[in-house]
Amino acid sequence: ETGVTQTPRHLVMGMTNKKSLKCEQHLGHNAMYWYKQSAKKPLELMFVYSLEERVENNSVPSRFSPECPNSSHLFLHLHTLQPEDSALYLCASSPGTYGHNSPLHFGNGTRLTVT
Amino acid sequence: GENVEQHPSTLSVQEGDSAVIKCTYSDSASNYFPWYKQELGKRPQLIIDIRSNVGEKKDQRIAVTLNKTAKHFSLHITETQPEDSAVYFCAAAQSNDYKLSFGAGTTVTVRA
Repeated sequence: ETGVTQTPRHLVMGMTNKKSLKCEQHLGHNAMYWYKQSAKKPLELMFVYSLEERVENNSVPSRFSPECPNSSHLFLHLHTLQPEDSALYLCASSPGTYGHNSPLHFGNGTRLTVT
Repeated sequence: GENVEQHPSTLSVQEGDSAVIKCTYSDSASNYFPWYKQELGKRPQLIIDIRSNVGEKKDQRIAVTLNKTAKHFSLHITETQPEDSAVYFCAAAQSNDYKLSFGAGTTVTVRA
């Protein structure tokens, strides 16, 4: 049990599909994050929510749409993706209401393949 | 913004030897430096972190050093074991900033 659970683990979708990634944290944390992990590249921060408010939108294309209905759940809605969007999408949470005074706790990720 | 560079990209060591990974950062305001380990097919996990008011921190076989003047920090793994084989990521951030900037990672292979 990681404390941060992501579903699905694997997802294959066509460029015209609409799908959603789900993340749930059981740690009582206040902040949640979406990261993109591509091979041989640094982890890229996509979105940050603190107490259900989006506090960071790191120049992410609009085909990625986040949703945070409460402090335990985070979604990433996907539509009209491109093949270069294929990557591992990691959800993370942290205790604080801001900043990185405490470490990130990651989920196991969703391996996304866009065909 | 912060730019973190990490070297080497791959590192192969004999079991029992030491491994050293080095990172540099660009933003002098950064004051929090965590290291994450990601085993194949698994999530990144924090292994050690250091804040700018400390020059060195040690946890069993793992140690991290920080040189604020030179803006670089390093991870040292002593007496390496096969289970140390993984990708290691350094990162840097200001303590009041959500943007944790990561290095590109170092793939460490420990040869038996």
